[in-house]
Amino acid sequence: DAKTTQPTSMDCAEGRAANLPCNHSTISGNEYVYWYRQIHSQGPQYIIHGLKNNETNEMASLIITEDRKSSTLILPHATLRDTAVYYCIVSNAGGTSYGKLTFGQGTILTVHP
Amino acid sequence: DAGITQSPRYKITETGRQVTLMCHQTWSHSYMFWYRQDLGHGLRLIYYSAAADITDKGEVPDGYVVSRSKTENFPLTLESATRSQTSVYFCASRSRDRGRVNTEAFFGQGTRLTVV
Repeated sequence: DAKTTQPTSMDCAEGRAANLPCNHSTISGNEYVYWYRQIHSQGPQYIIHGLKNNETNEMASLIITEDRKSSTLILPHATLRDTAVYYCIVSNAGGTSYGKLTFGQGTILTVHP
Repeated sequence: DAGITQSPRYKITETGRQVTLMCHQTWSHSYMFWYRQDLGHGLRLIYYSAAADITDKGEVPDGYVVSRSKTENFPLTLESATRSQTSVYFCASRSRDRGRVNTEAFFGQGTRLTVV
């Protein structure tokens, strides 16, 4: 799986958009970008994933650059409950990866009142 | 209840003892995983399984044993617990659905293990 690079920590004001970047310059054509978050030592929670098109769901938006070497997770209106560690993961669809997800250090997002 | 559950949630054991952490999922997901998370660090993969009776080592398998006789269960055994195995252990499952290229992984709430 391709390696990802994320900032160690970020701050965001409540109600504002939180934009979390991720670099994955060695991503290959069959690898997807996944985002998970972990709130205060709970089990990680899936947020969103994408291949090359931008994606949006009820939790967030995922913007992937045209060359797919980086992406941004957007939480449109951050709340205090969004304070968590956010993990960007690159992984292929299955096959020899057996669905494994390799976690890095992630970004600690702190949302301030 | 549908979902993925781990037991026990908390466990204290002594060095040298064998301890088994349980993981049960109700979805019949093909893939199951065990991760450990040490204080202030990300998750590291211990073992994974693609189906019943198919398991393989992850990044940090030493000192651990797994089995998967049934699709829904994936127990993790520490054969002889050491203090370095003090950690939070997370189990996860993920479907292998030919209709969807990718699926999300679901994680349990974790087992906090302390080896004294």
